[in-house]
Amino acid sequence: DIQMTQSPSSLSASVGDRVTITCRASQSISSYLNWYQQKPGKAPKLLIYAASSLQSGVPSRFSGSGSGTDFTLTISSLQPEDFATYYCQQSYSTLYSFGQGTKLEIK
Amino acid sequence: EVQLVESGGGLVQPGGSLRLSCAASGFTFSSYSMNWVRQAPGKGLEWVSYISSSSSTIYYADSVKGRFTISRDNAKNSLYLQMNSLRAEDTAVYYCARDSILQSYCSSTSCSNTDAFDIWGQGTMVTVSS
Repeated sequence: DIQMTQSPSSLSASVGDRVTITCRASQSISSYLNWYQQKPGKAPKLLIYAASSLQSGVPSRFSGSGSGTDFTLTISSLQPEDFATYYCQQSYSTLYSFGQGTKLEIK
Repeated sequence: EVQLVESGGGLVQPGGSLRLSCAASGFTFSSYSMNWVRQAPGKGLEWVSYISSSSSTIYYADSVKGRFTISRDNAKNSLYLQMNSLRAEDTAVYYCARDSILQSYCSSTSCSNTDAFDIWGQGTMVTVSS
């Protein structure tokens, strides 16, 4: 099975900051990497698919990059509504797996 | 409106059974693969099971294999998860999620698709406790 590891596990930042979250796969997954945002008590929301493609309706301040085993999610200028937990997910194998999550908190 | 609505959660004793349902609306349910994903209290997301649009392909996470059964009824636009031999560690919010092919790459010899979970239900809580 493919293991996904995110770093950091938590992050404090301020409105307007540029933030980067990293996700590493235990084997090469090409570009089969998705990012989700989850707010407390809510279902996850798809942000980025295929490593770098922005899901419809998602603000352009979100971007993704990477291929193979190393991936990043970048938020160019944090907005108050961006404070949430972010998960990466590999879709290379249908035995899907998620990273452990990165909680983005207000500094 | 595209929507998924889960139901069937509740409190069950260890060793007991529960059947979750997910009602789909606003899209052609029979055209999409579906998944169950769970989240234990205060923990991260864990993929549980996958079923293809025609039910011909099914996968399970090792943690539930042999105990859980995924199924669907395309005529009723519904997805199900039969959970048997429940354990305390199965306590979680269970989400159903639509699996959409969002990008396709074709070469001269083959095509590959990239998919993601683009629609999620609101979740249903399952608590396994005596």
